[in-house]
Amino acid sequence: KQEVTQIPAALSVPEGENLVLNCSFTDSAIYNLQWFRQDPGKGLTSLLLIQSSQREQTSGRLNASLDKSSGRSTLYIAASQPGDSATYLCAVMEYGNKLVFGAGTILRVKS
Amino acid sequence: DAGVIQSPRHEVTEMGQEVTLRCKPISGHNSLFWYRQTMMRGLELLIYFNNNVPIDDSGMPEDRFSAKMPNASFSTLKIQPSEPRDSAVYFCASSLSSSGSFETQYFGPGTRLLVL
Repeated sequence: KQEVTQIPAALSVPEGENLVLNCSFTDSAIYNLQWFRQDPGKGLTSLLLIQSSQREQTSGRLNASLDKSSGRSTLYIAASQPGDSATYLCAVMEYGNKLVFGAGTILRVKS
Repeated sequence: DAGVIQSPRHEVTEMGQEVTLRCKPISGHNSLFWYRQTMMRGLELLIYFNNNVPIDDSGMPEDRFSAKMPNASFSTLKIQPSEPRDSAVYFCASSLSSSGSFETQYFGPGTRLLVL
């Protein structure tokens, strides 16, 4: 059974810092990996999707990498801002269009 | 585009009552998903439809839970009878999928259910 683990569970940084969120998964037979953002009381917003054949994706200050063979992904956030404060969820897509989520990393960026 | 629409946004009910959650997916999307989010278990997939047909309902916790998709623009998740342990946030998501290609899922704002 696929298990997705995210480290750290929570992170507090001062504004302007670069930071890395980690995600690991136990079964490398995935179609893609996605990073989502969830604000309190809100739904999920897709940030980046990396296909299984890709190594990384970039969007603005966000960069996500994927190493399928080792079962790892990282989300890099450059020059963090208070507006980046949210919960970040990693999810892998398995056969059958099924997303398996990690527990998330709660990020707080202090101004 | 209005995005995925869910109703109600909040629901408070008493144990034993029937609860019906509703979802309107993004127009043109052919896959629809119901998820449940709790502090203890995180986000879990309950059921997945493709072209209005249930494909995988292995995540539905018990027979008290049922889901339907009568047409491409509407789905319901019903709990009957409801129990306090059903209290959670229920999300609906939709995506456009084709053979061998699975695209981003777009999530609705969720329904916060509290069963007393």
